[in-house]
Amino acid sequence: ETGVTQSPTHLIKTRGQQVTLRCSSQSGHNTVSWYQQALGQGPQFIFQYYREEENGRGNFPPRFSGLQFPNYSSELNVNALELDDSALYLCASSLDLGTDPRGYGYTFGSGTRLTVV
Amino acid sequence: QKEVEQNSGPLSVPEGAIASLNCTYSDRGSQSFFWYRQYSGKSPELIMFIYSNGDKEDGRFTAQLNKASQYVSLLIRDSQPSDSATYLCAPAPNFGNEKLTFGTGTRLTIIP
Repeated sequence: ETGVTQSPTHLIKTRGQQVTLRCSSQSGHNTVSWYQQALGQGPQFIFQYYREEENGRGNFPPRFSGLQFPNYSSELNVNALELDDSALYLCASSLDLGTDPRGYGYTFGSGTRLTVV
Repeated sequence: QKEVEQNSGPLSVPEGAIASLNCTYSDRGSQSFFWYRQYSGKSPELIMFIYSNGDKEDGRFTAQLNKASQYVSLLIRDSQPSDSATYLCAPAPNFGNEKLTFGTGTRLTIIP
């Protein structure tokens, strides 16, 4: 148990549908990032939120969007699902320790396995 | 852009031997590194943080950082079957708004 929880654990969607994935971070962790991990690959950065504002984005199209809430929870929304969106989606949170890089050692949730058919 | 290269493996090591995992990076500005372990179907777990040249030891794990040659390695002594996993290295962000950039990871199998 890492203190970062994600739901659901598994999900099957049809191409073209929309999906919302949820993450609950550890209390006090004001930075949350979302990653996509395809089979056999390392996690790829989607975007990051800091204090409810988007604070960086990877090379993902606008149909990937997110929200962060004051209670340390966050959402990843994906519209117009494509087959290539099938992956493990990871939420990771970290405690901002200023300039101490140890604070950027993200704690990952258990992930949501999304299958698009 | 911080690029990270890892040999994807699989790397097979007999039980009890030393497993050596390597990672090279492109950004000379990277000052410190994380090693994550990821079991199949599970999420990455932080196992090591190293921020200075040389070695850092934690139990059976030793991380080595060589900034001049731009590589970081992880040695696992007395390898156990439970060490079988994918190992990911990532440069630690220099600022809070930087992302973690992972390589593909090295899949390690410990053979009993």
